[in-house]
Amino acid sequence: QQKVQQSPESLIVPEGGMASLNCTSSDRNVDYFWWYRQHSGKSPKMLMSIFSNGEKEEGRFTVHLNKASLHTSLHIRDSQPSDSALYLCAARRAMGYKLTFGTGTSLLVDP
Amino acid sequence: DAGVTQTPRHEVAEKGQTIILKCEPVSGHNDLFWYRQTKIQGLELLSYFRSKSLMEDGGAFKDRFKAEMLNSSFSTLKIQPTEPKDSAVYLCASRQTENTLYFGAGTRLSVL
Repeated sequence: QQKVQQSPESLIVPEGGMASLNCTSSDRNVDYFWWYRQHSGKSPKMLMSIFSNGEKEEGRFTVHLNKASLHTSLHIRDSQPSDSALYLCAARRAMGYKLTFGTGTSLLVDP
Repeated sequence: DAGVTQTPRHEVAEKGQTIILKCEPVSGHNDLFWYRQTKIQGLELLSYFRSKSLMEDGGAFKDRFKAEMLNSSFSTLKIQPTEPKDSAVYLCASRQTENTLYFGAGTRLSVL
């Protein structure tokens, strides 16, 4: 059964600092990754997605993907208290329909 | 555009009761998912519908969990009978095929 592992489980960064979150799939057939953000008591919302090797940047957020190692990372620069949330990584198999989620990284940005 | 609507937001049940959770997907979305979220297990897939047809019924969740999609704009998740270990947040999500998944606000279920 496909597993999506996220690390660290929790992370504290100072306001203005850089947060780095990791995600790896155990399934060699995975071809697409998403990052979702879930504020406390709210629903998960899609932040970024990536399927090509390399990096993708949107504002303060950068996602990297290494398809050979099935590893993706999310980097948040100039972290703000409003970035404090649970960050979920999801992966999909090629030609598949469902997303398998990791258990998340809980990020706290300390003002 | 309305997002995914879930009701109720909170539900408290006695062990052994039957509860029904409701979901209205985003209009025009073809795919609908039911997930259960706990701190330990994260998001676990319960059911998946494509164009109202049940594509996956959640394996280990089959015996007491039943999801239905009566029409393209309404789905229910029935848990019968409830057990304390079912206490969790139940999330409904929808998408147009292969696109971004949109989640509802969830139903927080407590089983006493």
